[in-house]
Amino acid sequence: AQTVTQSQPEMSVQEAETVTLSCTYDTSESDYYLFWYKQPPSRQMILVIRQEAYKQQNATENRFSVNFQKAAKSFSLKISDSQLGDAAMYFCAYRRGYGGATNKLIFGTGTLLAVQP
Amino acid sequence: DGGITQSPKYLFRKEGQNVTLSCEQNLNHDAMYWYRQDPGQGLRLIYYSQIVNDFQKGDIAEGYSVSREKKESFPLTVTSAQKNPTAFYLCASTPRGTVGRQYFGPGTRLTVT
Repeated sequence: AQTVTQSQPEMSVQEAETVTLSCTYDTSESDYYLFWYKQPPSRQMILVIRQEAYKQQNATENRFSVNFQKAAKSFSLKISDSQLGDAAMYFCAYRRGYGGATNKLIFGTGTLLAVQP
Repeated sequence: DGGITQSPKYLFRKEGQNVTLSCEQNLNHDAMYWYRQDPGQGLRLIYYSQIVNDFQKGDIAEGYSVSREKKESFPLTVTSAQKNPTAFYLCASTPRGTVGRQYFGPGTRLTVT
C-alpha cells in the first residue's frame, strides 16, 4: 500500500523568506500524481500544486514550486517570498495513476507553517 | 456560485445517537468523498462514490454509512458503533475526466459527549 510521510510537523519562516516543506512517499507504481494542499485556519482545503510522475519538469505555480525526485520518492514544496497569508497546514497527497478507485487520495499528516512578520 | 456546502458547521450529539452530516454540491461532479481529519493524522478516507446509487468503503468505514440517491448529495451517517466520532469531517468532489484534483467543502466539526 502507498504511504505518504511528512516528517516536519511544524515549520516557521520569516515574511519574504523562502521555506521548503518535505514529503516522501512509498509506492511500487510508476505512474501516479502528487499534490500539495493548503488548509488555512478557515479549514478550507485549497489545491496548491500538482505534479504528474511522468513529467520530469518540476511544477510551478507563482511563488510555489516543487522539487520532484522520482527515484528518491521525494516531493518537496518550496514557497518563495513567504507572505502572512501562507500560514496554514500543508498536506502532501498521492494518487495512483490508473484504474481502480479513481481519484482516491492518500494524505500525509501535514506540516503546520507559521509565517513571522 | 458553484461549490460544495456542508451543514452544519458545528454539530453536537450525545453518545449513542446516530447523526447525519450533510454534503451538497452544485458543480455537477460525478464523484464524491468523505474524509475524517484528526489532529496529527491528516485526512483519512471514509467512503467514496463515483456514481449515483453506488459507493465504496474507504480506509476507515467502520461505524459510518452513506447513501448516494442524487448526484448532488452524499450524506454521511455517523452511527453509534463509531467508537471515536468526535472529529472534523470534510466532503469533497471531483468531475469526470479530471485527475486528482478534489474540491472540498468547508467541513463539519462533530463533537460527541
